Amino acid sequence: NAGVMQNPRHLVRRRGQEARLRCSPMKGHSHVYWYRQLPEEGLKFMVYLQKENIIDESGMPKERFSAEFPKEGPSILRIQQVVRGDSAAYFCASSPSELPATGELFFGEGSRLTVL
Amino acid sequence: SQQGEEDPQALSIQEGENATMNCSYKTSINNLQWYRQNSGRGLVHLILIRSNEREKHSGRLRVTLDTSKKSSSLLITASRAADTASYFCATAVSNRDDKIIFGKGTRLHILP
Repeated sequence: NAGVMQNPRHLVRRRGQEARLRCSPMKGHSHVYWYRQLPEEGLKFMVYLQKENIIDESGMPKERFSAEFPKEGPSILRIQQVVRGDSAAYFCASSPSELPATGELFFGEGSRLTVL
Repeated sequence: SQQGEEDPQALSIQEGENATMNCSYKTSINNLQWYRQNSGRGLVHLILIRSNEREKHSGRLRVTLDTSKKSSSLLITASRAADTASYFCATAVSNRDDKIIFGKGTRLHILP
């Protein structure tokens, strides 16, 4: 039973390029969360999605960042026109369909974005 | 802003000793969870305690919750080198079940 799969694990982009991070939740999970982590820091909530719906994007910058979780396929976190400050580890987590916040989150291994 | 704050930020102890980490939070919660993160890896769920529970055990882990003080503690007994990691508390606020917020973590280092 595969866990949460994130790819790429490492991504290097130059300033102004686009970064696309993918997350496949655990089988049967329809809730996906994206978090961002800077070195030696905690996780900052970015966005919470269910299939085809953005439920809460209050932690995601309004410009350059977008997220989706289509009916088929992985969830995608997209960062346009990246800047050096976007360099971070981006973690995806999933939870089962029912009562997501009363249970645990299952995390992927993260995607580490480096912007040159 | 962060919902939870762990204390201390960093902790070094000798192998075999007990490690205690604390978490304080700001708003009412439905439950509180503790996670572990090994360097460069994703987070792993350790234990969840509900707002109507005061104490919970899982192996060498003991978690307490004091809702009147809005605080929780994680105790790891008989620490091992493999316990070296960062530990985070996470809360789901009462009126926002869909949002789980993490603290900044305690970096635990077990000395051989």
